[in-house]
Formats: sequence, structure tokens, C-alpha cells
Amino acid sequence: KNEVEQSPQNLTAQEGEFITINCSYSVGISALHWLQQHPGGGIVSLFMLSSGKKKHGRLIATINIQEKHSSLHITASHPRDSAVYICAVKRDEKLTFGTGTRLTIIP
Amino acid sequence: EPEVTQTPSHQVTQMGQEVILRCVPISNHLYFYWYRQILGQKVEFLVSFYNNEISEKSEIFDDQFSVERPDGSNFTLKIRSTKLEDSAMYFCASSVREGLYEQYFGPGTRLTVT
Repeated sequence: KNEVEQSPQNLTAQEGEFITINCSYSVGISALHWLQQHPGGGIVSLFMLSSGKKKHGRLIATINIQEKHSSLHITASHPRDSAVYICAVKRDEKLTFGTGTRLTIIP
Repeated sequence: EPEVTQTPSHQVTQMGQEVILRCVPISNHLYFYWYRQILGQKVEFLVSFYNNEISEKSEIFDDQFSVERPDGSNFTLKIRSTKLEDSAMYFCASSVREGLYEQYFGPGTRLTVT
């Protein structure tokens, strides 16, 4: 069993829809990262969370440490949000990555 | 805005050859990392480096791999004798310190071993 599980694996939505991507993990962690990977391969850090909730523009990330679960929400989705979204958990100095959620927003 | 840079963007090498992948972390960062992503698979941790020493490494990071910070700015990953299965995208990352600090990723080097 993977230490980090993401769902869904693929998500296609219409522009403007509210998007939720989920991440569950099975180990103790110090923090959780949400990352965005563009078609060209580059990785951008969106959030790092150790508790509660963070918001940046149209992106919101939440984490429930007791339930070992995090969600990434995108409000008013736009075609430029199309990318792979990756959850990664931090233990010591090591990040363990999920397999990613491929998001496609259709105009 | 400061960013992590990596060179080259794409490296093609023959099996058995040595390759060195280069990274320039953000200048005030103290922790450095290498990750790899085989095509179609998830990103995997290779190694973390602090104070001129490896602080943690994965089982992937065997004797064929080494890391070095040869001067005050570069951070390198060397693969001594490349195998076909080393073909992957290699990402460098850095963070200002350990603990609850974000890691900033470079654009990656695509290594193709033929």
C-alpha cells in the first residue's frame, strides 16, 4: 500500500467549477505539501501545511492531522489550472509523493 | 524572485558513462535535495544534503550516485556508470532550513540513457 494516496487520479471539469482533490496518508508526518506539475515537467510548490487551512488566491488547502487527510480546493477553475497536482508528505527531511491528480479544465 | 536553476535541461548519454547534473540552489538556502521522476511515475526522493554532508538518502541512492557542493553556489548529482533505468527527470530542490519550510524546485534535467 502506498504511504500517500490521492483521489481522483484524473479529473475533468468545466471552467468555473469548484474542484476538490484529496490526499490521504498512512504515516506520521511533520508537514504536507501540495505541488503543481506543468505539462513541461516543472514543479511549483503551492502550499506547505502542518495544521488547519491556507488560502492563496483561488486555491485553498486544508489538513486534518488526526484523520491523516488533506484536500486541495480550486474555486472558479480556469483552463490555466490544468496540470497535475501532487500531494507530498514530509518526514524528517524526506518527501514522499503521491501519484498525482491530472486536472483538465475545459473552457 | 530567486529561483533554483538546473543545467543542462536535457542530457543524453550512453549506458556506462558518467553524468553530472548541476543545480544552483537559492542563495540563502542551506538544505538541498535531489529527486527523480521516471516517465509516467511518481516523484521519488533520492537524497538530502546539509552542511556538506548527506543527511538522508533513499534506497535508490546507491554507490553509483554521489552528491557534492563543490563551491558556494553549485550542488551536483553524479551518476558514475549510467544504466538504462536511470533515464528520468531529475529535480533539485532547496529550502532555507529544515523543519516547516517550503522546498523550492528547479525546472529539472531530463536524463536519457541509451
